Amino acid sequence: RKEVEQDPGPFNVPEGATVAFNCTYSNSASQSFFWYRQDCRKEPKLLMSVYSSGNEDGRFTAQLNRASQYISLLIRDSKLSDSATYLCVVTPYNFNKFYFGSGTKLNVKP
Amino acid sequence: NAGVTQTPKFRVLKTGQSMTLLCAQDMNHEYMYWYRQDPGMGLRLIHYSVGEGTTAKGEVPDGYNVSRLKKQNFLLGLESAAPSQTSVYFCASSPDRGYQPQHFGDGTRLSIL
Repeated sequence: RKEVEQDPGPFNVPEGATVAFNCTYSNSASQSFFWYRQDCRKEPKLLMSVYSSGNEDGRFTAQLNRASQYISLLIRDSKLSDSATYLCVVTPYNFNKFYFGSGTKLNVKP
Repeated sequence: NAGVTQTPKFRVLKTGQSMTLLCAQDMNHEYMYWYRQDPGMGLRLIHYSVGEGTTAKGEVPDGYNVSRLKKQNFLLGLESAAPSQTSVYFCASSPDRGYQPQHFGDGTRLSIL
């Protein structure tokens, strides 16, 4: 079983829409969680960390559900520039590695 | 502040040739990582280092070697390149053990013919 699993998508949404992605992780002892964004043929870039109480950064909201072992990313008022692949990242209890999901592709259409 | 710098950006090799990819970071980070990314596979960890002079195997270490002689540099070597090693290689660094996120270089696109 993979450490981290994501729906590959693509999610095709119109501008202004709200879209949500989930990411499930297998190790219940996982400690740190992040969402990264990756544009085509570019390096992953940190979008936001995910805190236990949930956190928001502008149009982006991240949440953690430890009981069901998933994290989520909500994007409100989608922009064309949000089109990218979104990677979720989990670190285990000993923190020495980062486990990446394969990514969820988002296409925001005019 | 350059962050994480990878050289070269592109390279084409013939099967059996060797080469070294260089990753340099100027953030004084302890931890450094090498990943490869293939279509539909996501990022896979090749090797990582938890400090100067240390290295450890990741998920797909076969065919690669690494060295961390200086804290700021992490080298990835291919001793005898194979077509299966055609990929995009990313280096990353982080200040500590996963509490803080990783910072990535902009990648090396490597083709093995």
